[in-house]
Amino acid sequence: DAKTTQPNSMESNEEEPVHLPCNHSTISGTDYIHWYRQLPSQGPEYVIHGLTSNVNNRMASLAIAEDRKSSTLILHRATLRDAAVYYCILRDPLYMNRDDKIIFGKGTRLHILP
Amino acid sequence: GAVVSQHPSWVICKSGTSVKIECRSLDFQATTMFWYRQFPKQSLMLMATSNEGSKATYEQGVEKDKFLINHASLTLSTLTVTSAHPEDSSFYICSAREGAGNEKLFFGSGTQLSVL
Repeated sequence: DAKTTQPNSMESNEEEPVHLPCNHSTISGTDYIHWYRQLPSQGPEYVIHGLTSNVNNRMASLAIAEDRKSSTLILHRATLRDAAVYYCILRDPLYMNRDDKIIFGKGTRLHILP
Repeated sequence: GAVVSQHPSWVICKSGTSVKIECRSLDFQATTMFWYRQFPKQSLMLMATSNEGSKATYEQGVEKDKFLINHASLTLSTLTVTSAHPEDSSFYICSAREGAGNEKLFFGSGTQLSVL
């Protein structure tokens, strides 16, 4: 799996936008960028994913650099419920065999200040 | 959206006993399920990949005789921690996917295992 690097932790004020960066300088042309988050004492949940174009959904936006070596997850208006660990993962849809592994890095622990 | 049900959500057991954790995909067929363990303040560590109808593939350093994985149907995978010891106390999480590659993953809510 291509490696991703994220800051260990970030802090943001409630109701302000949050930009969570992820570097993936060794990304291949077919890797999709996925983001998951893990709330305390829960399993991770899907947030968003994309390939080249920026993506928006009800939870967040994903901004992908033109060279695809980095991406940014954007929470437009953070709430206390967004406090979680956010993981950036690369997945290759061409890796179609049954041994596809999903490896998590350390992620970014997001603290939201009231 | 798709749901993965994992239970029990927590279990306390005595040292030397075995514990079974179930992971079910409720509204899709999970061709592949993944089992992770997570220690406090650490990331998820992949233990094994489970494909329906075949033997699980274990990560290096994970004892296959201690962590028995069965994926007998497209909607159920089980992880049995055999002869549990205090060092096996951890948060265990399962994940399932319907297809391969790009499809998003669905995770169970996790099982907190405490071995006394």
